Amino acid sequence: GNSVTQMEGPVTLSEEAFLTINCTYTATGYPSLFWYVQYPGEGLQLLLKATKADDKGSNKGFEATYRKETTSFHLEKGSVQVSDSAVYFCALRSQAGTALIFGKGTTLSVSS
Amino acid sequence: NAGVMQNPRHLVRRRGQEARLRCSPMKGHSHVYWYRQLPEEGLKFMVYLQKENIIDESGMPKERFSAEFPKEGPSILRIQQVVRGDSAAYFCASSPTPQVNTEAFFGQGTRLTVV
Repeated sequence: GNSVTQMEGPVTLSEEAFLTINCTYTATGYPSLFWYVQYPGEGLQLLLKATKADDKGSNKGFEATYRKETTSFHLEKGSVQVSDSAVYFCALRSQAGTALIFGKGTTLSVSS
Repeated sequence: NAGVMQNPRHLVRRRGQEARLRCSPMKGHSHVYWYRQLPEEGLKFMVYLQKENIIDESGMPKERFSAEFPKEGPSILRIQQVVRGDSAAYFCASSPTPQVNTEAFFGQGTRLTVV
C-alpha cells in the first residue's frame, strides 16, 4: 500500500543552523508530494509541494526535491529561525480521487 | 474567502455520550476529508466524502463512527457511545478537486476529550 516514512524527532537546532528532515515514500503510479507544517494548537498548513519527478517545491526558505529514483522528498532549509519551531508532516496523494496520506510528523525545536 | 471552519474547537463528553463534530469546507470545495491525530501517531486518515457520497471510509472504525456530507450544510463526523480512547484531535480538510496534484486545506481541528 501507499505510505510515508519520516525521520524520528525531535530535531533540536540552534538558530541559523541547516535543517534536513528526511522523508521517503511508497506509492503506486505517479504520486504528488507535499510538506505541511503544524504550529501548536493549530491545523496543518501547506508549506510546499511537488507534482512530478525532479520538481522542486519551495516556500519561505524551505525546499524539497521530488526524487523518484530514491523515492524521497527531503525537506531542507539553509538557516532556521526560532519561528520555524513546529511539527512538519510529509504527505502524498497517490492518484486522483484519493485522500492525502501522512507521515507521523517530525517535531523541530529551534533555540536562540 | 474563509478557510475550513470546524466547530466546536474543544468538546468534552462523558463516556457513553455522543460527539458531533462539524466541518464547513472552503467555498467552492466539494471534497472533504477527516483525519484523527493522536500524540506520537501522526495524522490518520478516516474518511473521504464528496457531496452526499462517501468515497472512501477505509480508515473509519467499523463501529460507533459515521460521517456525512449532505447537499446542504456542513460535514458531520459522529461518534456514538464515546470511550476514553476516542480522545484526540480531529481535523477536517477540503479540496476543490480530487486531482492528484491538488492540496488539501485544513481546519483548526476539534479537540475531543472523553472523561
